[in-house]
Amino acid sequence: TQLLEQSPQFLSIQEGENLTVYCNSSSVFSSLQWYRQEPGEGPVLLVTVVTGGEVKKLKRLTFQFGDARKDSSLHITAAQPGDTGLYLCATQYSSASKIIFGSGTRLSIRP
Amino acid sequence: KAGVTQTPRYLIKTRGQQVTLSCSPISGHRSVSWYQQTPGQGLQFLFEYFSETQRNKGNFPGRFSGRQFSNSRSEMNVSTLELGDSALYLCASSLQGLEETQYFGPGTRLLVL
Repeated sequence: TQLLEQSPQFLSIQEGENLTVYCNSSSVFSSLQWYRQEPGEGPVLLVTVVTGGEVKKLKRLTFQFGDARKDSSLHITAAQPGDTGLYLCATQYSSASKIIFGSGTRLSIRP
Repeated sequence: KAGVTQTPRYLIKTRGQQVTLSCSPISGHRSVSWYQQTPGQGLQFLFEYFSETQRNKGNFPGRFSGRQFSNSRSEMNVSTLELGDSALYLCASSLQGLEETQYFGPGTRLLVL
């Protein structure tokens, strides 16, 4: 079974600090998605990375896909309370027959 | 465009009962997928429907079933509820399938007592 492992599980930092969360697997991905889920809502897609070594930026968020396409990271610069939420990575499995999600990183930003 | 809507938002049932959840996709989207989210297991794929046919299925028992109507609206049914079925059930829609961006609804929170 293909698994996505996310770390850390929980992260609580002060506003203005930087942070990085990780998504790892022993399998190679064709693509990987990052979602953010806020309380009471469904996940919202932040980015899709496809090419090994790819770096994408979304304002203060920087997403990187590993060269071997087995891992990915999300770096947030100068975290703000609005960044609070559950960050999930996901990938299609077995020729897009289903989607697998990581266990998530729950991020809390203290004002 | 209106987003994905799910009804009801909250539901309380007792063990042994059955439940039906509803999902209305974004207009024009033909693929609807369902997911179960629990603190212990995280977000897990249940199944996907496209053009009224179940196209993909996750690793859930047969008590979990669904259907899709000609207007792409979808329902999910869980029979003989167990305590472990307590979860947030999310549906997502996309134009053509799982390889595209999934737009999630707010979910239905089910509590089984």
